[in-house]
Amino acid sequence: QKEVEQDPGPLSVPEGAIVSLNCTYSNSAFQYFMWYRQYSRKGPELLMYTYSSGNKEDGRFTAQVDKSSKYISLFIRDSQPSDSATYLCAMRGAGTASKLTFGTGTRLQVTL
Amino acid sequence: GAVVSQHPSRVICKSGTSVKIECRSLDFQATTMFWYRQFPKKSLMLMATSNEGSKATYEQGVEKDKFLINHASLTLSTLTVTSAHPEDSSFYICSAPPRQGDGYTFGSGTRLTVV
Repeated sequence: QKEVEQDPGPLSVPEGAIVSLNCTYSNSAFQYFMWYRQYSRKGPELLMYTYSSGNKEDGRFTAQVDKSSKYISLFIRDSQPSDSATYLCAMRGAGTASKLTFGTGTRLQVTL
Repeated sequence: GAVVSQHPSRVICKSGTSVKIECRSLDFQATTMFWYRQFPKKSLMLMATSNEGSKATYEQGVEKDKFLINHASLTLSTLTVTSAHPEDSSFYICSAPPRQGDGYTFGSGTRLTVV
């Protein structure tokens, strides 16, 4: 069993839809959770960074963490064609500069 | 925000030659740099962790003599692919934590093609 599970998609939605991206994990040592967006042939771009269980909102993006269920989500409201990319969840333990463990990434396509 | 500048973005080299990839932290000091390799439509695979002033730590299965990592200063880490072969062709990305406990910042990646 992988430490982090993420549905690879592809996920296709119409413009304006609400997108829900999810990851589950098995390692209870993970304390910090991140969502990255990666366009083709580019480095990942940090979208959201969370520590506590609960919700964190930034513009059209909301990150949700449920440590008791070992489940994290990223919601994208009013999705745009420019949101079409691969979304990677990542997480790490509490140690200083500890390495990230990534999900496999979900490919999202937002259509006009 | 914190920026990691990675160069070159693309490089084509002949088999047997060496290629150096640089990652610079522009507005913060990176005591640690992570180096990844990514295959098409796959997630990132951690190759090694470099720490300023000490030897890099390589992940299992990564040849340290082929992938030389140097972290000589708090703002520069380099990855040198030595005696490159076509199977080394890939997308290489670096990453660093700008502040303790913060989300990690990634470079823009280097696409290496060995012919």
